[in-house]
Amino acid sequence: GENVEQHPSTLSVQEGDSAVIKCTYSDSASNYFPWYKQELGKRPQLIIDIRSNVGEKKDQRIAVTLNKTAKHFSLHITETQPEDSAVYFCAGDGLMDTGRRALTFGSGTRLQVQP
Amino acid sequence: DADVTQTPRNRITKTGKRIMLECSQTKGHDRMYWYRQDPGLGLQLIYYSFDVKDINKGEISDGYSVSRQAQAKFSLSLESAIPNQTALYFCATSDSPQSGTDTQYFGPGTRLTVL
Repeated sequence: GENVEQHPSTLSVQEGDSAVIKCTYSDSASNYFPWYKQELGKRPQLIIDIRSNVGEKKDQRIAVTLNKTAKHFSLHITETQPEDSAVYFCAGDGLMDTGRRALTFGSGTRLQVQP
Repeated sequence: DADVTQTPRNRITKTGKRIMLECSQTKGHDRMYWYRQDPGLGLQLIYYSFDVKDINKGEISDGYSVSRQAQAKFSLSLESAIPNQTALYFCATSDSPQSGTDTQYFGPGTRLTVL
């Protein structure tokens, strides 16, 4: 099945700086790569996603880039704010042993934005 | 997201007991999922269901079983709970990729402790 690796596991930045989180995946046929944000004690929520026919997608201060050849994708947060502090998960829709596609998640990055 | 609900929200039980966690959704989605979250390990897929009669094992199905009673309901059972099943459990739902949007929406989570 799919293997998704995420780095770094923790990231501390100063307010206003940029933050970058990187993920690699193993299934070259994966097609869909969402990013989820999980605030402390809350459920994960989608913040942005990208499909394999697109190289980059942006939504205000958040952007995601995808390199299909190298099988990696990254989350970029610019002008970070304290409310960006959370755990971020990447995922890819890899092939399961059942022959169906479902999301495999990375292990998460804890982002802390220092005021 | 009140459209996806889980009961109970917290449960403490003893080794060997049978436990059922329930998930309901009002989003009208065909696909439902059960995930387990342990610190530092991200979200691991236990079981997923693409339709009422289409149920598939995920990455870590051993020790778990599921029942899809209706489109809106998906239950996770631990037949004989053991301490290493202590974790936070999330249910999620999504539409099919053919609909154009397959974002997963998570429930609030069930914190299970097995003593």
